[in-house]
Amino acid sequence: NAGVTQTPKFQVLKTGQSMTLQCAQDMNHEYMSWYRQDPGMGLRLIHYSVGAGITDQGEVPNGYNVSRSTTEDFPLRLLSAAPSQTSVYFCASSTQGGGHGYTFGSGTRLTVV
Amino acid sequence: SQQGEEDPQALSIQEGENATMNCSYKTSINNLQWYRQNSGRGLVHLILIRSNEREKHSGRLRVTLDTSKKSSSLLITASRAADTASYFCATEGNSGYSTLTFGKGTMLLVS
Repeated sequence: NAGVTQTPKFQVLKTGQSMTLQCAQDMNHEYMSWYRQDPGMGLRLIHYSVGAGITDQGEVPNGYNVSRSTTEDFPLRLLSAAPSQTSVYFCASSTQGGGHGYTFGSGTRLTVV
Repeated sequence: SQQGEEDPQALSIQEGENATMNCSYKTSINNLQWYRQNSGRGLVHLILIRSNEREKHSGRLRVTLDTSKKSSSLLITASRAADTASYFCATEGNSGYSTLTFGKGTMLLVS
């Protein structure tokens, strides 16, 4: 099925551990984004990319790193996990030019203990 | 910072009734989008309205946009239990690259 695939769906980390959240899309979308969703806060943009090799920071980038080596993949790296990074993470993609809806993945629920 | 703010935060209605959710935003936009999120799931794009449009329909959904007041409303007619979900408005700016800024959402319960 075409869409955005996120792995893993659930993850528990210890404080200080690192990990990579995977995101892949098969729609040849140029734009990809990572959001985190916390209770009562809506979705906040972490990092985004407008094409392979181009990334930029969103509203809450600290503690996260991204790269975009291919159009399909946009992994999000947690460098040293902290309890404040406990959240649900969503990856989304859209075609270039704006004015189009985004397709979201099903999310990764991350708990940092 | 949050761009959109939905109102009300929660809404409870009976099946068959209409549900209206409002969204206010702060800066100039290229378009405004509405998304639905069922509990524990990802967001699903419902409808997009461009800054030069005032009203748009899609099935039982009707969206209005008032750029002078920086506000939008989403109307769901003849609600069903399956409409129970959280609804988010998101704005796409008109400068730079395309990113979405979300509001905090309205939780709709249809019983």
